[in-house]
Amino acid sequence: LAKTTQPISMDSYEGQEVNITCSHNNIATNDYITWYQQFPSQGPRFIIQGYKTKVTNEVASLFIPADRKSSTLSLPRVSLSDTAVYYCLVGNDYKLSFGAGTTVTVRA
Amino acid sequence: NAGVTQTPKFQVLKTGQSMTLQCAQDMNHNSMYWYRQDPGMGLRLIYYSASEGTTDKGEVPNGYNVSRLNKREFSLRLESAAPSQTSVYFCASSPGQGTVNTEAFFGQGTRLTVV
Repeated sequence: LAKTTQPISMDSYEGQEVNITCSHNNIATNDYITWYQQFPSQGPRFIIQGYKTKVTNEVASLFIPADRKSSTLSLPRVSLSDTAVYYCLVGNDYKLSFGAGTTVTVRA
Repeated sequence: NAGVTQTPKFQVLKTGQSMTLQCAQDMNHNSMYWYRQDPGMGLRLIYYSASEGTTDKGEVPNGYNVSRLNKREFSLRLESAAPSQTSVYFCASSPGQGTVNTEAFFGQGTRLTVV
């Protein structure tokens, strides 16, 4: 499984855009990049998944450069309810491995 | 639509006691997982089952056993509980089709305390 590195924490304010970058230098050709969100006392929730270029859904955007050695999760116009831990996962098999994640704190 | 259901939600055990955590999913998923999450840390994979009839060890399998009872149910057993197993346990399932592991769904967790 590809090892991932993300910032431990990030602070933001309501209405701002939050960008979380994940490094995965040894990503394999068949690996996909997946992001999950976890609120306190809850299980993680799937946000978005991509292989290359850009993926967008109603919650977030995922930017993946051509070399795929990193990816950036973009959360537009965050609110207090976006305060959570965000996990970047890289892999292509049935094994889901979570790292420590990035704690995003949104302030009023 | 229940999704992934875990029972119990809370449990206190004495050291040396045994118990089984139950998990069931109603999404017809092939793959199921058990994780533990210690305070302030990410999730660590205990065991997973890629399909009915198969189970594999994850990162931290010692002290645990699992049973994939059928496609819906995946149980986790602690044979002799230790204080180090105090944690929040999450069960998850995913479609597990083809070579891409798509969206996984998680249960609400079981908070286990071993005293």
